[in-house]
Formats: sequence, structure tokens, C-alpha cells
Amino acid sequence: AAGVIQSPRHLIKEKRETATLKCYPIPRHDTVYWYQQGPGQDPQFLISFYEKMQSDKGSIPDRFSAQQFSDYHSELNMSSLELGDSALYFCASSPTKGWGTEAFFGQGTRLTVV
Amino acid sequence: GESVGLHLPTLSVQEGDNSIINCAYSNSASDYFIWYKQESGKGPQFIIDIRSNMDKRQGQRVTVLLNKTVKHLSLQIAATQPGDSAVYFCAENPPRNQGGKLIFGQGTELSVKP
Repeated sequence: AAGVIQSPRHLIKEKRETATLKCYPIPRHDTVYWYQQGPGQDPQFLISFYEKMQSDKGSIPDRFSAQQFSDYHSELNMSSLELGDSALYFCASSPTKGWGTEAFFGQGTRLTVV
Repeated sequence: GESVGLHLPTLSVQEGDNSIINCAYSNSASDYFIWYKQESGKGPQFIIDIRSNMDKRQGQRVTVLLNKTVKHLSLQIAATQPGDSAVYFCAENPPRNQGGKLIFGQGTELSVKP
């Protein structure tokens, strides 16, 4: 079965650079969530989209922006990267605007800022 | 809420023993809860869920207990196996009128000794 695809899996950037993380949801899933997970920490909600519109916003820095495209994939754009942005970034997709047994997480993108 | 520190609580058990992992959630209005398993470098994987109108739910080798009075969840794993070694997170889903995000609690690292 198709899963949530995230790319790239690993990314190394220097401070003040920009990064773009991509998330391809499971087919027919219209909701995407983005989470940031620092080392040894729980995932922190960043932002979500439902039917290509932002549906909820969490602790996402102003330096970050995201959108969901017409094919439902989503991109998280990160600018002026800081060392503290180093983390695992997960996206999850769901067939409805909510969670349940059909919502799945991707394998994540590990971002390292040096 | 935000997690503090970089050290997860750890539970170490012997193979074949039962494991109990506890979690406190924050929002008394949350009506849906999920336990996730996260292996190193991977995304959270759904284990079992429970709705707020229930206080117990059983799956294969896992049981979730919900105590709404004290906002407490527990995950019981029967006959723990080495493959169960991972970090376990509980997550709460506030009502839809409070946004659709999933809020993760602090994880617990389960270590199973063969």
C-alpha cells in the first residue's frame, strides 16, 4: 500500500540558508499535517492543510511557510535557517479533516543545520 | 504542551513481561486519543486508539486505558518482545472546533531485554 512520502530524507544546510521539504500524501488523502521533532522530544505541531487551505497553525516560526498544492502534496519552506531548526520534520496525511486509523505519518526528513 | 529536556523517561523490561506505559494529557475536552510507536529514525506508527466515551480498548497484545477524571492514559503491552523496543507517545485530539491537530505527550522509551 502507498504510504506518505517525504523528500528528501536527509538534508544538510548552513545557517541562514533556505530549505524546502516536500510531502506527498497517501492517494485520496486531502489533509496534511506538519510536525517538528527535536532530539529526544515529542513531535510539535507546525501547520496543517485541508483541501489546499490552511486549517490550523501551531508553533511555526515566521521564517517558515507552507502550502498545499492542487495535487494535495505539501511543501514546507524554511528560510534563514538556524542551528535550532535541526530536527526531524514529519508530515502526516489523513482522508478526512481529523485523525483516525487511516491517518499515517511519513518517514520524516532529517534536517541538519550547520 | 512543550516537552522539556532531552532525556525521555525510560522503561526497561524483560522479554515476556508485561509493560505499562503511562501518559498524562492536557485538554479535558479532547475526545480522541492515540498511542504511537516510534522506532529510531522513523515516523510515528499507529498502535491503538480510544474515544473519550470509552475507558478501555483492547487490541492484539495491547490495551489502552483512559481515565478522564485525572486525564491519564496508559498503554499495556502483554508479553513484551524485543521488537517492541521503541519510543511510545500518547497523543490527544482536541475537538474539531479547537483545530484538527494532534497533540503529543512526552514519549517513553521502552527497552526490552532478551
